[in-house]
Amino acid sequence: AQSVTQPDIHITVSEGASLELRCNYSYGATPYLFWYVQSPGQGLQLLLKYFSGDTLVQGIKGFEAEFKRSQSSFNLRKPSVHWSDAAEYFCAVDSGGGADGLTFGKGTHLIIQP
Amino acid sequence: DSGVTQTPKHLITATGQRVTLRCSPRSGDLSVYWYQQSLDQGLQFLIQYYNGEERAKGNILERFSAQQFPDLHSELNLSSLELGDSALYFCASSDHDRTTSYEQYFGPGTRLTVT
Repeated sequence: AQSVTQPDIHITVSEGASLELRCNYSYGATPYLFWYVQSPGQGLQLLLKYFSGDTLVQGIKGFEAEFKRSQSSFNLRKPSVHWSDAAEYFCAVDSGGGADGLTFGKGTHLIIQP
Repeated sequence: DSGVTQTPKHLITATGQRVTLRCSPRSGDLSVYWYQQSLDQGLQFLIQYYNGEERAKGNILERFSAQQFPDLHSELNLSSLELGDSALYFCASSDHDRTTSYEQYFGPGTRLTVT
């Protein structure tokens, strides 16, 4: 069965600094990979996705992620964070095109320091 | 706004009771998914329906059941509720066509509190 690991439970970044959130997955083939963001009291919003092709994908709100097959990683990056980026970030994998639903990591809580 | 609606927003009930959570998918989406988010288990996939038929099961308890109606809305039924069932329950929907950008759109969730 597939699994997703987000090794950082909390990350604190100064406003304007760069950000990288880590995600590692376990799956035999190339899965469909996603990053979602959840603001307090809100649902999950899709930031970006990777299915195939270019391993560097661009998303909304200035986020990007890079798929690295050799490292089984799909890390999320942003060159300069804003206070409004404070939220919970989830990496997810779908191995069957919806056959089993999404498998989520435990999430990374992002704190932005002024 | 994802276009997925869920009602009610909050639900408080007692142990042993039964509740029904409702979800309306985005217009045109045939697949509906249910997820549970709790502090100890994180986000877990419960069950998927596609055009009225159950398509996949995840970590769904036998006390829980779901269905999808002809108008494509879905209901999640939780019975014999326990304190540990307190969680945020999300519904998501997706386009059934896998050749397009396949992704799931999440509703705002229903927060269930069992006392």
